[in-house]
Amino acid sequence: DAGVIQSPRHEVTEMGQEVTLRCKPISGHNSLFWYRQTMMRGLELLIYFNNNVPIDDSGMPEDRFSAKMPNASFSTLKIQPSEPRDSAVYFCASSPRTLSSGGRVTGELFFGEGSRLTVL
Amino acid sequence: SQQGEEDPQALSIQEGENATMNCSYKTSINNLQWYRQNSGRGLVHLILIRSNEREKHSGRLRVTLDTSKKSSSLLITASRAADTASYFCATSVSGNTPLVFGKGTRLSVIA
Repeated sequence: DAGVIQSPRHEVTEMGQEVTLRCKPISGHNSLFWYRQTMMRGLELLIYFNNNVPIDDSGMPEDRFSAKMPNASFSTLKIQPSEPRDSAVYFCASSPRTLSSGGRVTGELFFGEGSRLTVL
Repeated sequence: SQQGEEDPQALSIQEGENATMNCSYKTSINNLQWYRQNSGRGLVHLILIRSNEREKHSGRLRVTLDTSKKSSSLLITASRAADTASYFCATSVSGNTPLVFGKGTRLSVIA
């Protein structure tokens, strides 16, 4: 398997522009997560999906951020309009485990290589 | 907010020495996982230890878990230059929440 595939790997854009990050999870995995990594805040969970349904988006910083998962093999994270403080590495991860009985996500995560976003 | 906090933030050792990293967390957990991140790359899962386990081994890695102290340690024995990376602990808390990561320990192994 090719692993989790993210694109683009690097994106440099100007403040106010729309940014779309893409993710293809590992086939058969039914949980998908978007994380953001910065030096100051570390890894922050933005949103996660289970069976293509958004479960918790409380980590999405503002209404400027939105995420979709139209099918089991594709997800997007969109920032519109982008701001310099959005500069970070955005990771997508997938997991083969569904929410177990009792509603716990317990499985290991498989990460993509990340999308490094720079907003000027 | 971070659930796990790694200690130390940075560690520099000579090749062949052992490296120990610690993780403390705040609330009860279902399991604790350790991940490695090479510079400019994604995180890679190393090992998972469940709340009812106390120690687990995988190759040169040894993980311990003390739920009474809410802490875990990752020991890398006979370190190699290729072990140079950042190491993160991540916890799955009881309830309907996914993994929460600490800020990591940056390990440098000098050849």
